[in-house]
Amino acid sequence: GQSLEQPSEVTAVEGAIVQINCTYQTSGFYGLSWYQQHDGGAPTFLSYNALDGLEETGRFSSFLSRSDSYGYLLLQELQMKDSASYFCAVRDYGGSQGNLIFGKGTKLSVKP
Amino acid sequence: DAGVTQSPTHLIKTRGQQVTLRCSPKSGHDTVSWYQQALGQGPQFIFQYYEEEERQRGNFPDRFSGHQFPNYSSELNVNALLLGDSALYLCASSFGQGSEKLFFGSGTQLSVL
Repeated sequence: GQSLEQPSEVTAVEGAIVQINCTYQTSGFYGLSWYQQHDGGAPTFLSYNALDGLEETGRFSSFLSRSDSYGYLLLQELQMKDSASYFCAVRDYGGSQGNLIFGKGTKLSVKP
Repeated sequence: DAGVTQSPTHLIKTRGQQVTLRCSPKSGHDTVSWYQQALGQGPQFIFQYYEEEERQRGNFPDRFSGHQFPNYSSELNVNALLLGDSALYLCASSFGQGSEKLFFGSGTQLSVL
């Protein structure tokens, strides 16, 4: 089966940098995705890493190490609007095309 | 261009009743997946529809069923509701079954009393 582990809560101050870690166990691995969800809102796609290394998209970056079954989401220059839950996800290839399996999420609180 | 739309936004039912939730995918998308999200948890995969057929199914009982229509919209039906079915039900659409980028609707908040 698939499992993902990520911290349940993280707190940081405005302007700071925060890293949200995710470790995974899968029977087959193709890549790691990250989603953001504000309270009461829809999850929105942030990034996808299929290869080792760092992918940068504006203030957000995502890293993957396939050998360590580990990835992280890095948020820089934190803003109050970044307060949200962040989910890592992998594809479960138990079926023909697989489906996305999500971690339990990390609730990020940004303080002034 | 409308994104993923779900209806209704909120619903209150009593135990034993049946419920139908609806989803219209983002324009150009042909695949719809349904997720259940309990408070403080990540979305749990229920099933996926592509070409009007259920293609993948998560660990949910047969009380959960669905349908996809020729216009790619989808319904989620839950029979014999239990208190534990209270959750946010999310619909996600994509182009193709194996897309990593899902577009989610804002969900239907179901409360079972």
